[in-house]
Order: sequence, then structure tokens, then C-alpha cells
Amino acid sequence: QSVLTQPPSASGTPGQRVTISCSGSTSNIGSTYVHWYRQLPGTAPTLLIYRDHQRPSGVPDRFSGSKSGTSASLAISGLRPEDEAEYYCEAWDGSLHGPVFGGGTKLTVL
Amino acid sequence: QVQLQESGPGLVKPSETLSLTCTVSRGSISNYYWAWIRQPPGKGLEWIGDIYMSGSTNYNPYLRSRATMSVDTSKNEFSLKVTSMTTADTAVYYCARCGFNPRLDALDIWSQGTLVTVSS
Repeated sequence: QSVLTQPPSASGTPGQRVTISCSGSTSNIGSTYVHWYRQLPGTAPTLLIYRDHQRPSGVPDRFSGSKSGTSASLAISGLRPEDEAEYYCEAWDGSLHGPVFGGGTKLTVL
Repeated sequence: QVQLQESGPGLVKPSETLSLTCTVSRGSISNYYWAWIRQPPGKGLEWIGDIYMSGSTNYNPYLRSRATMSVDTSKNEFSLKVTSMTTADTAVYYCARCGFNPRLDALDIWSQGTLVTVSS
């Protein structure tokens, strides 16, 4: 049972826009930044969005993040087959005194 | 670009201690926090703990004091020990950089991960 709640799966067709939600509480998302990671099959996670909506260099602007209250969202526009991956949200939790993750959302490009 | 590489055994017997080391290359270990994260097969990510170059540590309380981290700035590496390993500890173990402030910063650089299997 993950501290942050994500839908287990999401899907879309090439070119579509999809969003992945991440729900938490006042001890995590509601009081600090949310970060998003992408994990391609068989590889390590890589940072996709940091501090709610910032993109590391090299991440295309098709990827965007937002946050409101105790929930956050990752949006992917212009969906491509290579976007098929597992996506995780993460935030520092003041009760655990450490970062907590969502359970991950498997994105399928139909 | 900073790179991280773990080293350690891929197989550990139940009740034994896991020892992993993460070597930082193409950059300095100084001034950053460093973390260990694990991922059981087919499951999500779990934070194990983090360490600063001073040796200050912070652990996931759910590991119930089984985890110990250390840092060797002269070798540009940090390490993890987990005692009393069980099959539930079978996972891919990652080391990662967590910026200047783990409360605010993301895990921006990850190692490739090493699968640790607990089996007799």
C-alpha cells in the first residue's frame, strides 16, 4: 500500500493527451514539492518533472506537471509509442521524514 | 554527467547481511545527499535511506533499524548494509543523488540498479 495514490494504468492513442493523477495528504503533497519519474521496462527510473512542474534539461515540453492542494498531475501531450512506460510520483513526507512514492501508473500507447 | 555504479553480491542467504557500495564518478560526492531505493520484482519504489557527506543519515523506519549507511568521501563512494535479510528483501537496489536538500529536491541521478536475491 503506497502512501501516494496513482491509478495502476492509463492508456491513449498516438497524438492524444493523457494525464496521470497522484493523490496524497497534507503531510506530503500538500506541504512540499512533487516529482515525477519515468521507468522504461528493465531500466532505472529517470527524473521527468521536479518541483511540481519543472523539466530537467532534455525532457520535451510535451511533459508537464501541476499540483493543487494534496493532489498532483502529470500530463503528456502528443503521445508517442516510446512514452509507454511506468510513471511514478514522489514527495517528501513529514510524518515518515523521508520521500514516499506512488504505486506507479503503467502507460500503454494503443 | 555524474554517474553512479553499485557493486555487491547478487545473491544473499536468509539471515545474512547485504553490503552494497555506490561509486560516484564524473563528479564529487561532496555537498549532496545520496540515497538508496529498492524495488521488489514487479512492484513499486521504496526509499531505504539517505546520507550526507558529513555522515549524517536518515532511514525509513519500516526497515526497523536493519539498514546502516556510510560514506567515504576520499573514495567518492557511499555504502549500505542491511542485516537479517529475508526473501521479502529481494529487490533491485538503486543508489541515487537527492540534491542539496532531500525535503525539496528530486532524485535526479540514478544508478542502473542491481538485483539482489535472497535465497538459500
